Amino acid sequence: EVVLTQSPGTLSLSPGERATLSCRASQTIANNYLAWYRQRPGQAPRLLIYGASRRATGIPDRFSGSGSGTDFTLTINRLEPEDFAVYYCQYYGGSPLITFGQGTRLEIK
Amino acid sequence: QVRLVESGGGVVQPGRSLRLSCVVSGFTFSDYEVHWVRQAPGKGLEWVAVASPAQTIKIYSDSVRGRFTISRDNSKNTLYLQMNSLGPEDTAVYYCAKDLQPGAPDYFDYWGQGTMVTVSS
Repeated sequence: EVVLTQSPGTLSLSPGERATLSCRASQTIANNYLAWYRQRPGQAPRLLIYGASRRATGIPDRFSGSGSGTDFTLTINRLEPEDFAVYYCQYYGGSPLITFGQGTRLEIK
Repeated sequence: QVRLVESGGGVVQPGRSLRLSCVVSGFTFSDYEVHWVRQAPGKGLEWVAVASPAQTIKIYSDSVRGRFTISRDNSKNTLYLQMNSLGPEDTAVYYCAKDLQPGAPDYFDYWGQGTMVTVSS
C-alpha cells in the first residue's frame, strides 16, 4: 500500500508570496500517476495538476507540479486570496486504487 | 455543462442501511468511470469505490468492502452506493467524482456538491 505524506501540515504565507507543498510517497509512483487538488471550505475539491505536472483545464500557470519517483511538489506563485485552502495529493494505482495524502492547509499569515 | 448531483444522505442508526444516488449530466456517462469519495467531518479525503462503465469491474476500499455496493444505471445517468451495516466511522460527506479521461489513470475533474451521511443512535 502506498502512503502519501504531505508536508508541511500547515503553511502560513502572505498574498503575493510563493507556496511550495510537498507530497512524499512510501513507494515509487509508477508513471507519475499523481495529482493535486485544492479544496476551499465548504466546497468540493478541484483538480489542479495531474500526471505530476500537467495543469488541468482552466488552471492558471501560477500553479505548477513537479517531481518523480517518491517526491512531488506543488508550487503556487503569486498567491491570491482564493488560494488559501487545503491541498491534497492523490495517487492512482496499486491497492487501494486511489490514495490521498492527509492534506496541507495553506493559511494567510 | 458537466454536473453531478448526489442525494440520499441523512441520519441513520448504526447497523442500518442507506442508498446514495449521483445523477450526472453534461457528458456521456456510459463512457466514464465515476467514483465515490468521502470526507469525514474535519478530515481528509478517502476514496470509497468505483465501477467500470459496464460494471464488469467494481473496486472498493478495504474499509467498505463487503458492506458497500456500487452500481450504476447508464440509462438513467445515475451512480449508486448501497451502504449496509453502517457504523459511526462511515459518517462523512459522500462525493461522486468523474474521471478526467476514459480508460486513463483515475483523476477527478468534476465533483458533486456532496451528501452528508451521519451514523448515530
